[in-house]
Amino acid sequence: AQRVTQPEKLLSVFKGAPVELKCNYSYSGSPELFWYVQYSRQRLQLLLRHISRESIKGFTADLNKGETSFHLKKPFAQEEDSAMYYCALKGASGTYKYIFGTGTRLKVLA
Amino acid sequence: NAGVTQTPKFRVLKTGQSMTLLCAQDMNHEYMYWYRQDPGMGLRLIHYSVGEGTTAKGEVPDGYNVSRLKKQNFLLGLESAAPSQTSVYFCASSSPLAGAHYNEQFFGPGTRLTVL
Repeated sequence: AQRVTQPEKLLSVFKGAPVELKCNYSYSGSPELFWYVQYSRQRLQLLLRHISRESIKGFTADLNKGETSFHLKKPFAQEEDSAMYYCALKGASGTYKYIFGTGTRLKVLA
Repeated sequence: NAGVTQTPKFRVLKTGQSMTLLCAQDMNHEYMYWYRQDPGMGLRLIHYSVGEGTTAKGEVPDGYNVSRLKKQNFLLGLESAAPSQTSVYFCASSSPLAGAHYNEQFFGPGTRLTVL
């Protein structure tokens, strides 16, 4: 079954501390993986995707096919990083559905 | 560009009432989606459409119907609202065409629905 698992509902870290938001997936094939973010009172927006292999707002995520993971990392958390983060999976070309995880709320404490 | 817009922003219904949520996008996207967002459940796909005149069921379609008569609009209908449909509803659109935003979902601001 296709599934995206985000084991942490809430993650609290202090400003300047490293952050790792976990995402594991179950999919037989080559999926596309995404991280979406929802800041307070804003709509969901794309943060980054694995095929871009870029860093956005200091965040990076590496697709580990062996561990079926796509963890989101940032070396030094900022207060403005506080938000809801969703990991999402889209199947191979020809599939249309996206599967979202249950989300992790990140709180960065001053 | 307005991107993805949703109407209304808020609505309170009584059990058994019906309503339609409207989603509009001005990006000429082929694909459109309706999700519901519930605490602890994340985003769950209700219905989606891969083109004008076509719709398909998602993960939680029961109690909802959709229509895509025009490429830019995707309507979500509740025929007989139930308290279990109290949620925040998000519409999204995306394009499968190659480019900077390939397969990126663009979301609307959401509709907060309460069913009493």
